[in-house]
Amino acid sequence: EAGVAQSPRYKIIEKRQSVAFWCNPISGHATLYWYQQILGQGPKLLIQFQNNGVVDDSQLPKDRFSAERLKGVDSTLKIQPAKLEDSAVYLCASSLQGASTEAFFGQGTRLTVV
Amino acid sequence: GNSVTQMEGPVTLSEEAFLTINCTYTATGYPSLFWYVQYPGEGLQLLLKATKADDKGSNKGFEATYRKETTSFHLEKGSVQVSDSAVYFCALSDQGDKLIFGTGTRLQVFP
Repeated sequence: EAGVAQSPRYKIIEKRQSVAFWCNPISGHATLYWYQQILGQGPKLLIQFQNNGVVDDSQLPKDRFSAERLKGVDSTLKIQPAKLEDSAVYLCASSLQGASTEAFFGQGTRLTVV
Repeated sequence: GNSVTQMEGPVTLSEEAFLTINCTYTATGYPSLFWYVQYPGEGLQLLLKATKADDKGSNKGFEATYRKETTSFHLEKGSVQVSDSAVYFCALSDQGDKLIFGTGTRLQVFP
């Protein structure tokens, strides 16, 4: 079966610019996650969707980050404006039904803000 | 809040050595516990899981036992190989259905 697809793989932008990441989860997976992984740290959950509703976005910096999951399938994560500290790998994952079922991860988008 | 604490790395071992990577957790209720692995250049993938106390998860020679009394889920392998070199993440899914990760432990195995 096809895995979780993310694009782009790499992105370099200047601070204060905007950027968007795209994720296509595994077909039939109801739960979709966006994580931020700063170098040397574990993934930090930014937002979790169940179908097209938000389960948790408590750690999403809502003044600059936004995410949507239209029609409960694909998702986009946007940063506007970017800061230097946003440099990280942004991981998308999906699971069949909730966090107790196995999460499958994409390869991530490495963002560098200069 | 709920959290996962892992031993800091890197852990450096010779091939065929015994491996233990410590993981403890803080959670309300009865979380499910996971070990994920990230091989160089690849995405995170599930290594093993345990959903209730005293359960043992196992895969590829790795094992971890869900210990409620010590709130631990230590990862072990009897004989590591060079191909096991990777970053290992302990994680839990809590009552709020969130998947929370530890900071990761890098394992380096030398021939």
